[in-house]
Amino acid sequence: GENVEQHPSTLSVQEGDSAVIKCTYSDSASNYFPWYKQELGKGPQLIIDIRSNVGEKKDQRIAVTLNKTAKHFSLHITETQPEDSAVYFCAASSSQGSQGNLIFGKGTKLSVKP
Amino acid sequence: DGGITQSPKYLFRKEGQNVTLSCEQNLNHDAMYWYRQDPGQGLRLIYYSQIVNDFQKGDIAEGYSVSREKKESFPLTVTSAQKNPTAFYLCASKVWGGVNEQFFGPGTRLTVL
Repeated sequence: GENVEQHPSTLSVQEGDSAVIKCTYSDSASNYFPWYKQELGKGPQLIIDIRSNVGEKKDQRIAVTLNKTAKHFSLHITETQPEDSAVYFCAASSSQGSQGNLIFGKGTKLSVKP
Repeated sequence: DGGITQSPKYLFRKEGQNVTLSCEQNLNHDAMYWYRQDPGQGLRLIYYSQIVNDFQKGDIAEGYSVSREKKESFPLTVTSAQKNPTAFYLCASKVWGGVNEQFFGPGTRLTVL
C-alpha cells in the first residue's frame, strides 16, 4: 500500500523567511496530494492541493510542487508570518483501489519567530 | 453554516468502559471517516463509510466499532478492548467517489483515567 514520508518533523524560521516541507510517496497510482494545516487543539484544514496532471500550483504565499517521476511533492510558504505557526500534514491518495482514502505523513511542526 | 461537528470536545473514561464519540455533518457528503492522532504521528484511519448502512475497517480498527444509520451521522465507539485509547480523534467527510477534499471536524480528546 501507499506510504508517505514527510520531512522535516520540526522547522523553525524567522518571520519573513521562506519555509519548505517535503514529502515522498511510494504508490505510483497516487494522483491527489493535499496539504493540511492543523492549529493546536483543532482539526486539520486544507490549505492547498495538487493533482497529478499539474506540476505546480500557487495560492498567494503558498505553493506546492509535484515531481511524479521522483514521487515527491513539496509545500513552499513565502514571507512567513507568526500565524503560519502550526503543524502541516501532507497526504496522498489514489482514485484506484481504496476509494480515495488519504494516507498522511507524520507532520511538520512549523514555528515562525517574530 | 455547513460543517462537521464532533462532541464532546473533551472526554474522560475509566478503564474498562466503552465510550461513544459523536460526529455529525450537514454537508450532504456520502463518505465519512474516523482517524486517530497521537503526538508525533500522522492521522491513522480507524473506520470509514461510503454509504449508509455500510462501513469498512481502516488500518487500526481493533478495539473500535462504528455505525452508519443516517447519512449525517457516524458515531465511533471506543470499546474496553482498545488497549491504548487515550488520543485525539478526528472525524472527516467528503463527496463519495474519486479523490477530493476531506473536511475535518474539530476533534475529540479522549483521556482514559
